[in-house]
Amino acid sequence: RKEVEQDPGPFNVPEGATVAFNCTYSNSASQSFFWYRQDCRKEPKLLMSVYSSGNEDGRFTAQLNRASQYISLLIRDSKLSDSATYLCVVNAPYNQGGKLIFGQGTELSVKP
Amino acid sequence: DTAVSQTPKYLVTQMGNDKSIKCEQNLGHDTMYWYKQDSKKFLKIMFSYNNKELIINETVPNRFSPKSPDKAHLNLHINSLELGDSAVYFCASSQTSGADNEQFFGPGTRLTVL
Repeated sequence: RKEVEQDPGPFNVPEGATVAFNCTYSNSASQSFFWYRQDCRKEPKLLMSVYSSGNEDGRFTAQLNRASQYISLLIRDSKLSDSATYLCVVNAPYNQGGKLIFGQGTELSVKP
Repeated sequence: DTAVSQTPKYLVTQMGNDKSIKCEQNLGHDTMYWYKQDSKKFLKIMFSYNNKELIINETVPNRFSPKSPDKAHLNLHINSLELGDSAVYFCASSQTSGADNEQFFGPGTRLTVL
């Protein structure tokens, strides 16, 4: 089983749509969770951290379910500029160096 | 001002050659990383340095040797390049080595081995 699994997509949605991405992780000892965004042929950039109580940043909402080891990202009112690959990221426990483990990403394409 | 910079941006070379990629960050961060992103887009950590000391060394062939002359620089030297080394290599930095720190990535070096 992969350490961090995502549906690779692509998700093709019209402008204004709501889209949800899911992610599962295998190590129950993980403590830090993030969504990064990677535009085509560019570097990844932090979109938002994910907190236990769930958190929102404008049109973006992240949720964490520790019992199910599941993370989600909801994008409301999609814009053309949201087209990118969204990477689910989880930390390995400190006895494994505390490194970040990246999912393979979910590709989103927002069409006019 | 570029926060994390890498050179070169593109590198095309023959199998068997030795090459280096340089990385510099001007954010004053303590921790720097090298990642490899393969053709399937998986981003995997290779090495991490904290204040010039190696703290993460994944299962990477010993043909890959990182060097950190100071905490603002982390270079990657690759000996005897192989076809499978073709990938995009990203350098990153974070304020400290804690996993809850945001990591800032450089623009990547696209390595093609022929």
